[in-house]
Amino acid sequence: DQQVKQNSPSLSVQEGRISILNCDYTNSMFDYFLWYKKYPAEGPTFLISISSIKDKNEDGRFTVFLNKSAKHLSLHIVPSQPGDSAVYFCAASAEGNMLTFGGGTRLMVKP
Amino acid sequence: DSGVTQTPKHLITATGQRVTLRCSPRSGDLSVYWYQQSLDQGLQFLIQYYNGEERAKGNILERFSAQQFPDLHSELNLSSLELGDSALYFCASSRKGGLGYEQYFGPGTRLTVT
Repeated sequence: DQQVKQNSPSLSVQEGRISILNCDYTNSMFDYFLWYKKYPAEGPTFLISISSIKDKNEDGRFTVFLNKSAKHLSLHIVPSQPGDSAVYFCAASAEGNMLTFGGGTRLMVKP
Repeated sequence: DSGVTQTPKHLITATGQRVTLRCSPRSGDLSVYWYQQSLDQGLQFLIQYYNGEERAKGNILERFSAQQFPDLHSELNLSSLELGDSALYFCASSRKGGLGYEQYFGPGTRLTVT
């Protein structure tokens, strides 16, 4: 049973445009959400997080939105750059317990 | 560079063998976590140690074990290896003891069982 799902395995975006990566979850106990970025042959890199008491968190070009009623979060990257091309994982935890990761979305930003 | 180091980078071994993967956390981090990423799968949490003690267990097989030493480095031991154990094994660390806080990942060890 996948509690965290990233339904789009891949996404292609033009440089300079907005990238929107989506993540759905089923466990209503999740109260902390994170996004990681992963390049080939490297470990995941923490990008941005959000607590369930917020609905938006912004850090530079990256913004995470949380819709608790829909059990949905999204990562917006504006403007997208070729260096953003990577696999993006969303992750969630409940009350400080283990992180549960989604399957990842491969983002390709075309110059 | 996350500050988390893992050795070796690659490991090739035969079925039935035993291997040890090593992880050094970021300076000052007390928690170490181990994850497995198999082909076409996401990251699966295996186990967490906090300041030398086991804090939480995930989908870790009985053939696998881990420990964290007084200098806070950690080792993941995999025994009676099977073909299905071939995967990327990541170690992560964080300052806080809870699992849900930002974790910083090492570059991983790619294990190939033949």
